[in-house]
Amino acid sequence: EAQVTQNPRYLITVTGKKLTVTCSQNMNHEYMSWYRQDPGLGLRQIYYSMNVEVTDKGDVPEGYKVSRKEKRNFPLILESPSPNQTSLYFCASSLMSPIYNEQFFGPGTRLTVL
Amino acid sequence: QQQVKQSPQSLIVQKGGISIINCAYENTAFDYFPWYQQFPGKGPALLIAIRPDVSEKKEGRFTISFNKSAKQFSLHIMDSQPGDSATYFCAAAPSNNFNKFYFGSGTKLNVKP
Repeated sequence: EAQVTQNPRYLITVTGKKLTVTCSQNMNHEYMSWYRQDPGLGLRQIYYSMNVEVTDKGDVPEGYKVSRKEKRNFPLILESPSPNQTSLYFCASSLMSPIYNEQFFGPGTRLTVL
Repeated sequence: QQQVKQSPQSLIVQKGGISIINCAYENTAFDYFPWYQQFPGKGPALLIAIRPDVSEKKEGRFTISFNKSAKQFSLHIMDSQPGDSATYFCAAAPSNNFNKFYFGSGTKLNVKP
């Protein structure tokens, strides 16, 4: 089944404890992206990647890191999480450009930073 | 600052009625306008999208109307059904970087039987 998977689905952590949220897609998509969803703000793009080793900042990249060492994986790294990073996170992927090809979203990761 | 402003925040419509959600933007570089549908506990899914070379696009019961001069676009759901109850997001991407997406704040639609 073609899909985007995220792990973990739920995570409660404490301020300053480094964490990684994994994202994997099995559709051989070039484009991958991370978003955070907050009430009243909709989705905001954190980082995106056009291909292996090609990443760029979205609208709200502060406090996050990403890497794209393999085509299928695009982990989101929070090196020193803070409470304002408590949010619902979505990974998405698409074939080549996301305006000519549908972006497929993962199921989401709900992160709470205490 | 929200680059795409969406209204209303929530909407209640009777079954069979028309649901209308509106979005507005200021950035004239925006050149791609998708709408996403999100059910509780799920990720968003692309519903319908439009480029500014057309003023309207229809797919089944879903229609996007686009007004380039007013910098506004809207989603119309005809013959709304309870199964349409979801949160809807508009979005926009600029012509100088189609990899960057800006979303509206979302509209929670409740279609009453």
